[in-house]
Formats: sequence, structure tokens, C-alpha cells
Amino acid sequence: GEDVEQSLFLSVREGDSSVINCTYTDSSSTYLYWYKQEPGAGLQLLTYIFSNMDMKQDQRLTVLLNKKDKHLSLRIADTQTGDSAIYFCAEIPFTGGGNKLTFGTGTQLKVEL
Amino acid sequence: SAVISQKPSRDICQRGTSLTIQCQVDSQVTMMFWYRQQPGQSLTLIATANQGSEATYESGFVIDKFPISRPNLTFSTLTVSNLSPEDSSIYLCSVEADNYGYTFGSGTRLTVV
Repeated sequence: GEDVEQSLFLSVREGDSSVINCTYTDSSSTYLYWYKQEPGAGLQLLTYIFSNMDMKQDQRLTVLLNKKDKHLSLRIADTQTGDSAIYFCAEIPFTGGGNKLTFGTGTQLKVEL
Repeated sequence: SAVISQKPSRDICQRGTSLTIQCQVDSQVTMMFWYRQQPGQSLTLIATANQGSEATYESGFVIDKFPISRPNLTFSTLTVSNLSPEDSSIYLCSVEADNYGYTFGSGTRLTVV
């Protein structure tokens, strides 16, 4: 099957904005998510967006959704060293049945001083 | 949102042995999900566990290798049987959260030697 794709690595300077991109598989997906995984830790839900929305903002996080292109992005404003982690996008494909999360390949964000 | 207590957090096991991972949720949930995250990889769903019925396994995962118990609505175990080095991974449980997302346990890091 198709993969939910992300770029593997992103490096930014502290204070800059980070943009993490994701291409998902199912245009019928109802919910799309962004998770953060810090070293040695589980997954933390950062934010989600409904498929009928184009944008969602939550403090330093902005999610953009382009359903036509099946493209999802996460923008982190004023990136801090504590934002260094792996970021996963995830979808619940309509065609998959049930409530099964399909995860992207993950993007490792490195924040440099 | 539900809070999950997952243990052990890590273990080193000998080949041919088994490891049982426990997840305790602080509220009743219908479905619990078990994921595997191989080194440097994304998360892959192993199975979905409903209370009172057999778990539903994803393609590539079988009950003999990954038996699951779900004795009540707050608890589940995953056993990884007949361990080999290829089973070295992080195993995570997950439940649906109140806010349309999914909450994850902190993970169990398994190393097979």
C-alpha cells in the first residue's frame, strides 16, 4: 500500500520557524494528527485537524491542510531547543476500516543554537 | 484524556524467551491498540484488542507470536514470544482519547540478545 511520507530530517536555528511536511494517502481521511516523540519517550499528541478545515492554529503551532494534494504541514513558530524531537503525522484512512492510525515515516527536527 | 501506565519501560531478554508488556488505563476504554516501532522506523499497528473478544491482528502479525489479553476495560497485555534479535523494538499501547486523538503509553524498549 501507499506510505504516509515525510522528509526524514529538518534542521533549524533557535527562534526560526520550522515547517514539517506530510503527504498522506487517503483523501477520505476524517482526522489528521501530529505527534511528537522525544528520545526515549512515547508519543505526545500535539494537535489534530478535521478534514473539513484548511487551517488550525494552536499557540505556536499552525496546521495547514491541502486536501486536493493530500498534503499536511505543521509549522512551529519561534522554534526552541525543547522542540527537538521526531514528529509524526498520522491519518485514519477511511478505506482502512475501524479506527486504525497510519503513521508517517517521521521527521527528526534538530534545533541548533 | 486517558492516562496510560505501561510497563516495563525497558527490558533485555534472551533469545527464545518471552516478554509480557502491561498497559493500565485510568478509565474504561473500548479498544486498545498495540504498536511496534522498530529502530529508526515509524509505528506499525500490531493488533486491536477489545474486551471480551479475540484481538484483531494486522497483516504480518499472528496470535502465536503476539498473544494479547484484554480481561477488562482498563487493562491489556501483549506478549512477544520466542524472542529473536529482530524483535528488538519499542512496543506501545494506545487508546482513543476524549479529544479525537489517541493517547499512547510511554513505550517498552525491548532488546533481545
